[in-house]
Amino acid sequence: SQTIHQWPATLVQPVGSPLSLECTVEGTSNPNLYWYRQAAGRGLQLLFYSVGIGQISSEVPQNLSASRPQDRQFILSSKKLLLSDSGFYLCAWSMRMNTEAFFGQGTRLTVV
Amino acid sequence: AQSVTQLDSQVPVFEEAPVELRCNYSSSVSVYLFWYVQYPNQGLQLLLKYLSGSTLVKGINGFEAEFNKSQTSFHLRKPSVHISDTAEYFCAVSDPSIGTASKLTFGTGTRLQVTL
Repeated sequence: SQTIHQWPATLVQPVGSPLSLECTVEGTSNPNLYWYRQAAGRGLQLLFYSVGIGQISSEVPQNLSASRPQDRQFILSSKKLLLSDSGFYLCAWSMRMNTEAFFGQGTRLTVV
Repeated sequence: AQSVTQLDSQVPVFEEAPVELRCNYSSSVSVYLFWYVQYPNQGLQLLLKYLSGSTLVKGINGFEAEFNKSQTSFHLRKPSVHISDTAEYFCAVSDPSIGTASKLTFGTGTRLQVTL
C-alpha cells in the first residue's frame, strides 16, 4: 500500500533562517505531488505541484520554493524565512489520472 | 477560476443530533467535489467525493453529501453525530479538464464541535 511521510512534525525557526521540509511517498511510481499551506484561520492554499522529476509549478508568488530531485521526493525550501511563512504545511500525492489526493501528517512551522 | 465558500466557520452540536455543514462553489466549468476531515495536528482524510452520476454521495463514518448543480452546493450531512466527529471539515473542488484533477481549491473550513 502507498504511504506518505512528511517531516519534521513541528519546527520553530527564527526569521531569516533557511527552511527545508521533506516529503516522500512509498508504494507508487510517478505520482503527482503537492505542497499546501494552511495559515491560521484560513483554508488550505496550494503552493506548488509537480507532475514529474524537476517539474515544478508555482501557484502563488511567495518566499518559498520547491524541488523534486527524485520521483517520490518533494522538498519545500526557503533561503530566508519571514514571519508570514508560519503555518501548517501539508504534502499530498495523487495518481496521474486519479482524482483523490492523499495527505501527509503535516508540519507545523512557527517563525519567531 | 474556482472558489469554495463554507458559510459556517464553527458549528456546535450535541451528540446524537443531526448536522449539516454547508458548502457552495463557484466555477465556470464542471467540477469534482470533495469533503475532507482534519483532526487536530493531523493531515486531511477524504470523507467522500462527487465525480459524476448520482448526486447523493455516501462516505465514511456515516457522512453523506448531496450535489446540487442549480444551487452550486455540496452540503455535508450526518443524521447522528458522535463526540469523535469533532474536527475541522474542508470542502474542495477541482477542475477535471486540466489534467490534474486532484489539484484542489479548498474552502476555509468548518469547525464541528460535538458536545454531550
